[in-house]
Amino acid sequence: DVKVTQSSRYLVKRTGEKVFLECVQDMDHENMFWYRQDPGLGLRLIYFSYDVKMKEKGDIPEGYSVSREKKERFSLILESASTNQTSMYLCASSHSLIGEKLFFGSGTQLSVL
Amino acid sequence: KQEVTQIPAALSVPEGENLVLNCSFTDSAIYNLQWFRQDPGKGLTSLLLIQSSQREQTSGRLNASLDKSSGRSTLYIAASQPGDSATYLCAPSGAGSYQLTFGKGTKLSVIP
Repeated sequence: DVKVTQSSRYLVKRTGEKVFLECVQDMDHENMFWYRQDPGLGLRLIYFSYDVKMKEKGDIPEGYSVSREKKERFSLILESASTNQTSMYLCASSHSLIGEKLFFGSGTQLSVL
Repeated sequence: KQEVTQIPAALSVPEGENLVLNCSFTDSAIYNLQWFRQDPGKGLTSLLLIQSSQREQTSGRLNASLDKSSGRSTLYIAASQPGDSATYLCAPSGAGSYQLTFGKGTKLSVIP
């Protein structure tokens, strides 16, 4: 069965800390995505990657960076966490062909204090 | 920029009722549209994917339709059950793009 795994379900960090959110998929998908979800704002795309070492900015990339050294793993990095980055973070993946279904992980609820 | 609206924001129905969830989008130049389900505090699960050349897709008690020219999609749920209680989101995909634009969802409660 298809699986997208996010390393942490809940995470609490301090302002100014560097934060790493990890995502692994076992479906050999080329595309991987990071979204954040906030009440009233819905899901917003932060970054996506269509191949190893390739990345594209989404709608809200400021304050974030990403890393994709291996096909199955896509990391989201908060360089210096701030309280306005408290959110639910969702990782997703899809096959290379446009028009394929998107598969999501269970999400990481990040609180920055 | 694509904008997606889902009405109503919340819906409560008695068990066994048939219901329709609505989704409208401003840019009709889409490649496909997906309907997702999200349980509280969880990730999203893709329910149905309709390509732009299709009019509808069915999976069990779910039927999704697409009218690209008018910028509308509906999700029909037959014989609703308490286990259908969740938030349902629609997301059209831009033409030639990997990116989806999500609506804010309709929160469905099915009362036993």
